[in-house]
Amino acid sequence: DAGVTQSPTHLIKTRGQQVTLRCSPKSGHDTVSWYQQALGQGPQFIFQYYEEEERQRGNFPDRFSGHQFPNYSSELNVNALLLGDSALYLCASSPGQGPGQPQHFGDGTRLSIL
Amino acid sequence: AQKVTQAQTEISVVEKEDVTLDCVYETRDTTYYLFWYKQPPSGELVFLIRRNSFDEQNEISGRYSWNFQKSTSSFNFTITASQVVDSAVYFCALSPYNTNAGKSTFGDGTTLTVKP
Repeated sequence: DAGVTQSPTHLIKTRGQQVTLRCSPKSGHDTVSWYQQALGQGPQFIFQYYEEEERQRGNFPDRFSGHQFPNYSSELNVNALLLGDSALYLCASSPGQGPGQPQHFGDGTRLSIL
Repeated sequence: AQKVTQAQTEISVVEKEDVTLDCVYETRDTTYYLFWYKQPPSGELVFLIRRNSFDEQNEISGRYSWNFQKSTSSFNFTITASQVVDSAVYFCALSPYNTNAGKSTFGDGTTLTVKP
């Protein structure tokens, strides 16, 4: 039973570029959430997708956008990259929209902006 | 707005010692969920325990136990007889009761080092 998988593992970009990160949820899960984790801090919620729609969003600018595909996989897109976007980006999945569902996390994508 | 505070940035113990990780939260919601996650060096957060705000009964699960006190907005986590494999960053998280817990608010974590 495959868990949450993310790609790529590491990524280096320069300021102003655009990046796409990918996530496949755990088998049986249809809800995907994205988090940004800066060094030494806890994860910060970016947004959540369910039924191919953005359902909830945290305090992140419109430069951060996403998509969910019919197979429940998801992408996170970040435009006009800033140095401050350097972080570990975590994808988490859960079954359905019910409250209190523990999140299952992937290993993350380490994004470095030069 | 919700907030989670983990005042202990780093804790170091010797194997077999008991260790308690503190978590204090702020929320205007009357109902909510609280979680503890573990993040080993690989980066993947692993779910450990969950508690809803209705249930203040404290429980023990193996070497883990937790103390939830709604009156003081605290949700502390204890590892009994710690082991080297317990070394990791531990996060406390809070989510609203009426939404998917994906929109969770995390503390900044406590780094636990267990020395042999």
